[in-house]
Amino acid sequence: DTEVTQTPKHLVMGMTNKKSLKCEQHMGHRAMYWYKQKAKKPPELMFVYSYEKLSINESVPSRFSPECPNSSLLNLHLHALQPEDSALYLCASSRQDSNTEAFFGQGTRLTVV
Amino acid sequence: QKEVEQNSGPLSVPEGAIASLNCTYSDRGSQSFFWYRQYSGKSPELIMFIYSNGDKEDGRFTAQLNKASQYVSLLIRDSQPSDSATYLCAVVASGGSYIPTFGRGTSLIVHP
Repeated sequence: DTEVTQTPKHLVMGMTNKKSLKCEQHMGHRAMYWYKQKAKKPPELMFVYSYEKLSINESVPSRFSPECPNSSLLNLHLHALQPEDSALYLCASSRQDSNTEAFFGQGTRLTVV
Repeated sequence: QKEVEQNSGPLSVPEGAIASLNCTYSDRGSQSFFWYRQYSGKSPELIMFIYSNGDKEDGRFTAQLNKASQYVSLLIRDSQPSDSATYLCAVVASGGSYIPTFGRGTSLIVHP
């Protein structure tokens, strides 16, 4: 099983809403990632969790709040977003060694109105 | 700043031709190299990885790595219209890292 599952696939939210993106993997990977991708741009790293602890925060605004409840789950809580936050949000996971690929979920297409 | 450079393209090739996609990286100690394919609006899908100098073949795909020149490439033989996508090069740097750094991607168009 090399699957990373993200829900929802699409999300439209207002600037005052609170919503959450969810990600799940059962590959035993201890590194999990959130990426943001705008059209025609590469994925941009937001957060990295290592063994359920936040290890990297790439200066992401506090309106994005990650959470890793256990080794299989990763959430991204959203609050007071701006229209420019509209993007494809990708979750990925990998083993924690250099010779390992990252597996991506299908992404959540987020639109902030 | 560890950088991964790709020409954004688009690279346009006729059906049946060989498509050659290139990537350079700045960290000489980089260890692992990955090629992802991304269709428009979809998530990246791993198609090849390479760790050692030389060539690695998988079906119609060949990855080539030259660590001395800090260069990795992807060749797609017998290109098909279904290969039209953005190809992302990803590199894991030295120093115990496991986090990939992505290039900007090269858009490939295979026309019938």
